[in-house]
Amino acid sequence: GPKVLQIPSHQIIDMGQMVTLNCDPVSNHLYFYWYKQILGQQMEFLVNFYNGKVMEKSKLFKDQFSVERPDGSYFTLKIQPTALEDSAVYFCASSLGQQVFFGKGTRLTVV
Amino acid sequence: QQQVRQSPQSLTVWEGETAILNCSYENSAFDYFPWYQQFPGEGPALLIAIRSVSDKKEDGRFTIFFNKREKKLSLHITDSQPGDSATYFCAASEGATGGNNKLTFGQGTVLSVIP
Repeated sequence: GPKVLQIPSHQIIDMGQMVTLNCDPVSNHLYFYWYKQILGQQMEFLVNFYNGKVMEKSKLFKDQFSVERPDGSYFTLKIQPTALEDSAVYFCASSLGQQVFFGKGTRLTVV
Repeated sequence: QQQVRQSPQSLTVWEGETAILNCSYENSAFDYFPWYQQFPGEGPALLIAIRSVSDKKEDGRFTIFFNKREKKLSLHITDSQPGDSATYFCAASEGATGGNNKLTFGQGTVLSVIP
């Protein structure tokens, strides 16, 4: 089926540093999402993005978070500065209609 | 506020048995309910989904039963196989209005199928 690719699969970063998580969505999809999953817990919606703009963001999408998708490149989630509580697996997803496809996630460890 | 709840948290069945995974929700505006299967180290993969206009959706060994009045649904996996061992997430959305399909997930049920 359609694939969403996420790079890297695992990233370790010092608290306070900036991190960028990269996502290559399904090629003809128009809606992009980021979800956060803390180990053993449910996935929680962070933000969705369409036509170059954030459509909706949750309370988890802190001021330190930003998303963008410059033309033809990755859909990115940037965290600046990182905090210990940002440690989680971040899943990128994309959709065209009802079906939402997820990547394998990036495990972010903030130390 | 937990808008989508799943039970049990974990479930163990023997190979060949039927596994029943339960889900309930609070938001009456939810009308699309996908189930995702997730293996360790992988992303969630869409397994089967139902719209609120239906009360049953079947795909091979996987069947969703939906009760709109009670805001409950369940996933039945018949003839369970060891390869079905995974975490199953119930999710809900207000439908893909214009293509935007923000999902609310439950906490997941960890299914183990013993050979």
